[in-house]
Amino acid sequence: DTEVTQTPKHLVMGMTNKKSLKCEQHMGHRAMYWYKQKAKKPPELMFVYSYEKLSINESVPSRFSPECPNSSLLNLHLHALQPEDSALYLCASSQIETGVASYEQYFGPGTRLTVT
Amino acid sequence: EDQVTQSPEALRLQEGESSSLNCSYTVSGLRGLFWYRQDPGKGPEFLFTLYSAGEEKEKERLKATLTKKESFLHITAPKPEDSATYLCAALGRDYGGSQGNLIFGKGTKLSVKP
Repeated sequence: DTEVTQTPKHLVMGMTNKKSLKCEQHMGHRAMYWYKQKAKKPPELMFVYSYEKLSINESVPSRFSPECPNSSLLNLHLHALQPEDSALYLCASSQIETGVASYEQYFGPGTRLTVT
Repeated sequence: EDQVTQSPEALRLQEGESSSLNCSYTVSGLRGLFWYRQDPGKGPEFLFTLYSAGEEKEKERLKATLTKKESFLHITAPKPEDSATYLCAALGRDYGGSQGNLIFGKGTKLSVKP
């Protein structure tokens, strides 16, 4: 099973709202990722968690706050977003092995976020 | 600077008309070259990983190959259901803890007409 699940599928929020995106995988992967994808563009990396610790933060504004409660779950907390943050938010996971070839990332279906 | 370039941006084929998609890369210390398929509004679906020049992998009508400078995704006798955007991504040198820094190309949008 190579399934990554994400909830909700769609989210509409105002600029003053607080909401959270959720991601779950049961493949035993110890690396999890958040990406942002705008229309007709490739995914852009936002955050990487390795062994439940934040290892990469690609200069993402503080209105996006990631959380990794355990090895299977990844959250993205949203607060005071701007209309330009509207996008498809993708979660992915992969195995980890340092020093040798790395492993493919498996993506979830995404959450379509609209900020009004 | 590490870079991945895909061509063409868009490709229209008739059903059964074989073709190839190109992915050129300049990546220091390539640790893997990945192909994904993405349907509109959905997450990328993993297709192949290639690790070293000369490597080839196949799945149904798709075959991926890798050289030291580029990768090709060959599509043999495509069907309308193969219509999608195909993304190429490279994983470069590990600068210490950067497990996941995939460098994506902009994708090739493939349309297969019946």
